[in-house]
Amino acid sequence: KAGVTQTPRYLIKTRGQQVTLSCSPISGHRSVSWYQQTPGQGLQFLFEYFSETQRNKGNFPGRFSGRQFSNSRSEMNVSTLELGDSALYLCASSSLSGGEETQYFGPGTRLLVL
Amino acid sequence: GDSVTQMEGPVTLSEEAFLTINCTYTATGYPSLFWYVQYPGEGLQLLLKATKADDKGSNKGFEATYRKETTSFHLEKGSVQVSDSAVYFCALSRGGSYIPTFGRGTSLIVHP
Repeated sequence: KAGVTQTPRYLIKTRGQQVTLSCSPISGHRSVSWYQQTPGQGLQFLFEYFSETQRNKGNFPGRFSGRQFSNSRSEMNVSTLELGDSALYLCASSSLSGGEETQYFGPGTRLLVL
Repeated sequence: GDSVTQMEGPVTLSEEAFLTINCTYTATGYPSLFWYVQYPGEGLQLLLKATKADDKGSNKGFEATYRKETTSFHLEKGSVQVSDSAVYFCALSRGGSYIPTFGRGTSLIVHP
């Protein structure tokens, strides 16, 4: 079974621009979560989508948004980029079988904002 | 709310040394517990998990036992290799609509 894939793997943008990152979950997984990872803040939860609905949201400004499509693929968008948005953005998909939630992560998209 | 506390890193060991990375948690109910590993330049990979008290998760020589009485899930390996150098994350999940809670990660450096 193919793992979680994320595109692009690397991205360089300038302040004020916007960016869209894509995530394809493991086949059959309906939950997709997004995380931001930085050396200073560690792993921070952005939001989670389940069956095209945002189910949970972390403490990030409205510049960060996401969506999920009917095939469970997800995108996240960051508008008006700031230098502090430079980070590794990780997507994770999960299966809810048995009530426990194991998350399977993609390789991440490394975003550099200049 | 839920929380996970890991020992501060980096942990520096020589090859073939014994490894322990401490993890304690705070959560209501009976969460599932996980260890993830992140190699340089990569995403997180599930290393092992345990879903109920006294369960032992194991994989690739790593082990961790779910200790409800001490709310701990310490990661151990009897003999580390240079290739084990990575960042290790402890996490808990209560399943359903709950988002997993991750520790801050512990960096492990293994010298030849």
